[in-house]
Amino acid sequence: DSGVTQTPKHLITATGQRVTLRCSPRSGDLSVYWYQQSLDQGLQFLIHYYNGEERAKGNILERFSAQQFPDLHSELNLSSLELGDSALYFCASSVASGIPQYFGPGTRLTVL
Amino acid sequence: GQNIDQPTEMTATEGAIVQINCTYQTSGFNGLFWYQQHAGEAPTFLSYNVLDGLEEKGRFSSFLSRSKGYSYLLLKELQMKDSASYLCAVSVNNAGNMLTFGGGTRLMVKP
Repeated sequence: DSGVTQTPKHLITATGQRVTLRCSPRSGDLSVYWYQQSLDQGLQFLIHYYNGEERAKGNILERFSAQQFPDLHSELNLSSLELGDSALYFCASSVASGIPQYFGPGTRLTVL
Repeated sequence: GQNIDQPTEMTATEGAIVQINCTYQTSGFNGLFWYQQHAGEAPTFLSYNVLDGLEEKGRFSSFLSRSKGYSYLLLKELQMKDSASYLCAVSVNNAGNMLTFGGGTRLMVKP
């Protein structure tokens, strides 16, 4: 158990819908990272937040957005969902700007 | 950008030693990580190299040569439970130390 929690574990929805994925970092970690892992693309970095502020963006679609709240939990919002958005979404956290990153159990999103 | 290469699949025998190689090309290198990932589960941190040389951690060791853009993960005394994907990732020295992952090496340990 890494200490990072993610909810829900599984999510099944339809194309065009919007979903919110939630992540709670390890106690004391200020940095939260979101990654997408699909079968054909491996682990792709989406976005990084540090203490409530966006620090870096990766290959994140405009339909996706995220935020980190004052209690340091983070949410990833995915809208206008497409079949290709079906993937495992991982959240990871680390202390300050430090490394390594510890991963949560992931949310498996299935878009039908 | 970053480019990270590692073999797609490897097979080894229980009790043996296996070496998984990773080569990378990046600017602003800030460290190399190895993660283990069982199918459908979260990546688990194994090791971290920032300086050249060998880091040993029980049955797992990781080596880094920054001048060659090369790392390897060495697994000794292989066990069946070591069957998993092994992900090489590079951290770049930008705002946030994001990790760029290679495609992963799927290791199958046979009896």
